[in-house]
Amino acid sequence: ILNVEQSPQSLHVQEGDSTNFTCSFPSSNFYALHWYRWETAKSPEALFVMTLNGDEKKKGRISATLNTKEGYSYLYIKGSQPEDSATYLCAFGDYKLSFGAGTTVTVRA
Amino acid sequence: DGGITQSPKYLFRKEGQNVTLSCEQNLNHDAMYWYRQDPGQGLRLIYYSQIVNDFQKGDIAEGYSVSREKKESFPLTVTSAQKNPTAFYLCASSTPDRALSGNTIYFGEGSWLTVV
Repeated sequence: ILNVEQSPQSLHVQEGDSTNFTCSFPSSNFYALHWYRWETAKSPEALFVMTLNGDEKKKGRISATLNTKEGYSYLYIKGSQPEDSATYLCAFGDYKLSFGAGTTVTVRA
Repeated sequence: DGGITQSPKYLFRKEGQNVTLSCEQNLNHDAMYWYRQDPGQGLRLIYYSQIVNDFQKGDIAEGYSVSREKKESFPLTVTSAQKNPTAFYLCASSTPDRALSGNTIYFGEGSWLTVV
């Protein structure tokens, strides 16, 4: 089992503020790094798949960066909105992914 | 709509009984997966299948069994040998080509299993 760590476990953000959180993964034998958003009572939804060192991906107000040499990825939320409240999962691997425990984001109106 | 359907959403099982969780996909994906989630932990892989009539154990396969007789279906049986079966179970699918190095995995909405 590949060790994938996410921090913090949870965070509370005021509406309009920006935030970021981390995913750490083994830096050797990199395949791909995935980010998913998981809202309550819904399926996890893919946000990004990152495959190259230095990758930066963006989807609306959410963006992610990747450093494969040091084994971490950051997810950023700019100008948080209540609809951003969810658990954000990262996963590392090829077709067989190892998941972190997630960062649960709660945006206060 | 294309997607993954899991049923039932909630299931109660008496100790000593086997139960089967259904997973059906109409995405034409070759690969399918079963994950388990426990509080405070990441998703853990139970079984996966990259092609019909073939499947492999994941990280926590003990006490579980699967079949893959059809491309669109990957049922999971939780047997009485599973010592702590109460959990949330997620089914997923994807294209299996590792060369793509980043094929997205699509998930169902999950099934809650409680042993009573």
